[in-house]
Amino acid sequence: IAGITQAPTSQILAAGRRMTLRCTQDMRHNAMYWYRQDLGLGLRLIHYSNTAGTTGKGEVPDGYSVSRANTDDFPLTLASAVPSQTSVYFCASSEGGGEGYNEQFFGPGTRLTVL
Amino acid sequence: GQNIDQPTEMTATEGAIVQINCTYQTSGFNGLFWYQQHAGEAPTFLSYNVLDGLEEKGRFSSFLSRSKGYSYLLLKELQMKDSASYLCAVTEGNYQLIWGAGTKLIIKP
Repeated sequence: IAGITQAPTSQILAAGRRMTLRCTQDMRHNAMYWYRQDLGLGLRLIHYSNTAGTTGKGEVPDGYSVSRANTDDFPLTLASAVPSQTSVYFCASSEGGGEGYNEQFFGPGTRLTVL
Repeated sequence: GQNIDQPTEMTATEGAIVQINCTYQTSGFNGLFWYQQHAGEAPTFLSYNVLDGLEEKGRFSSFLSRSKGYSYLLLKELQMKDSASYLCAVTEGNYQLIWGAGTKLIIKP
């Protein structure tokens, strides 16, 4: 059982390039999330999906897009990378399905550097 | 607005007890999570509180006061492997969590 996997583990990217970060979960969770984590700022939500076929914007969505074609996959795309998008990106999932208890399970993260 | 406050960094001695505080102001509240994050790794679940009071789980305990917007994580018999960041997060009635910036705990021998 893998849980949540992310790829790549790390990446150095030239500014202006397009990049897709991959995330796959095998827990059949309804909800999935993308966060970025920067020193001193904690986890900030970029986009989320409550169920396959739906997505929503989080706290810092600008410059990012997502899709949720099926339950397992939730890719994050940077259309034209900028240096301020240098960060550690975490994908997470939760069972969802209601209010209250919403334990989130995290992937190992992708360390992205934009030069 | 939404605001979660935790101390940035704490230092404690191996074998001792440490309390990490978290205060929150949110528009709604359905529960509070504590996660542990070792350097370079993903956050992992520690505890969840929805009702007032203390939840004990081995060496770790978590307390919640909803009326005061306050929680703490208590770590007993500290071990070197407890050196990590501890993240407080509040759930507001949808699927999303509002995260604090985390408290970096340094354990000294």
